Amino acid sequence: AQKVTQAQTEISVVEKEDVTLDCVYETRDTTYYLFWYKQPPSGELVFLIRRNSFDEQNEISGRYSWNFQKSTSSFNFTITASQVVDSAVYFCALRPVGNNRLAFGKGNQVVVIP
Amino acid sequence: GAGVSQSPSNKVTEKGKDVELRCDPISGHTALYWYRQSLGQGLEFLIYFQGNSAPDKSGLPSDRFSAERTGGSVSTLTIQRTQQEDSAVYLCASSLGTGRVETQYFGPGTRLLVL
Repeated sequence: AQKVTQAQTEISVVEKEDVTLDCVYETRDTTYYLFWYKQPPSGELVFLIRRNSFDEQNEISGRYSWNFQKSTSSFNFTITASQVVDSAVYFCALRPVGNNRLAFGKGNQVVVIP
Repeated sequence: GAGVSQSPSNKVTEKGKDVELRCDPISGHTALYWYRQSLGQGLEFLIYFQGNSAPDKSGLPSDRFSAERTGGSVSTLTIQRTQQEDSAVYLCASSLGTGRVETQYFGPGTRLLVL
């Protein structure tokens, strides 16, 4: 079974501050994919990134960056210079290769205060 | 639009009634998934369809829940004799298929409230 833990339930930051969301996972599978999704108030889950377990290269996309560390089973997400539009719930998820279901964490509610 | 669509967006029903929720996947996507998002349980997998294969129903919480996918496209999730604990957001997702590299794209969800 897979387990994804996002310990911080709600995080409030002032606009332009950086915010890091922690994601720790457990799986017995040797190959798997990790994902981050954003859920704005409208409710739709928006795909942000997919990372393969065999590729530990970190990635940056604009103000978003991800730090994957297989040794600590973590896949953390940082928003740099946060903006009000970043206010949303962010979900980390895991899917083993060959398994079709996503296992989600409980989500991080990010509130960016103007 | 080109995304996953779901209807209705909101549904209020009385306990004991049956409800049907509809999902229209992204055109060309052969895999379709249903998830449930509730306050207490977070996001939970319900069922998965891939082409003409038998669906993976292992996430359905009880025999009151069923789903079908007609013509390999639109899917309907049916909840019979609804209970208050069925109140949740029901999310549908689709993906290209069951290749090694698959990303699921989600619809806006149906918010179900059982009174």
